[in-house]
Amino acid sequence: DTAVSQTPKYLVTQMGNDKSIKCEQNLGHDTMYWYKQDSKKFLKIMFSYNNKELIINETVPNRFSPKSPDKAHLNLHINSLELGDSAVYFCASSYYRSGRGGDEQFFGPGTRLTVL
Amino acid sequence: AQSVTQLDSHVSVSEGTPVLLRCNYSSSYSPSLFWYVQHPNKGLQLLLKYTSAATLVKGINGFEAEFKKSETSFHLTKPSAHMSDAAEYFCVVTLDAGGTSYGKLTFGQGTILTVHP
Repeated sequence: DTAVSQTPKYLVTQMGNDKSIKCEQNLGHDTMYWYKQDSKKFLKIMFSYNNKELIINETVPNRFSPKSPDKAHLNLHINSLELGDSAVYFCASSYYRSGRGGDEQFFGPGTRLTVL
Repeated sequence: AQSVTQLDSHVSVSEGTPVLLRCNYSSSYSPSLFWYVQHPNKGLQLLLKYTSAATLVKGINGFEAEFKKSETSFHLTKPSAHMSDAAEYFCVVTLDAGGTSYGKLTFGQGTILTVHP
């Protein structure tokens, strides 16, 4: 059974287009995250939602908009794609306990976005 | 603020020899520390975690790490490398009680482990 799944796995698109990446977790976690892994393999958090509420919003261009319809899903929509958006995007989930900082996060397989 | 530094970008070992991947952290509060592994074109898998219990932590696939507060280190070791251990390893820190990181993970730069036959 897939714990954290992402679709699509690969996404190739032209500059200026709008695209979405979907993430679903079946672990019963209450918190979900989006990370970006650049070409040098550096991972950086972008957003986090706890029970559908945005709790982490790092310095990310406004073209990126996360949406969490329920606590099992967290989608990422990107407007007006640019060359620099090419990266691997990872979704993750965990339990979050206030004052603790959270348990270990479970990662999806990643979505490789290529902007031409 | 929290940060983590992996001291080696590449480590190369022979199969059957010990592995040491070094990690130093900085955190204003008691940290939780993790090691994740990423095989080529795969997602991240948790190897082990430290969350203020025993300072020597055992993980999967024979890996272990020791939390040393005085040295602010959390080095990853394995007594005998296997070919299947070849991957990239990430040391990760997040804040524990008293922190306000909301589960935010801060990743190190990664260490690529190469295992030679």
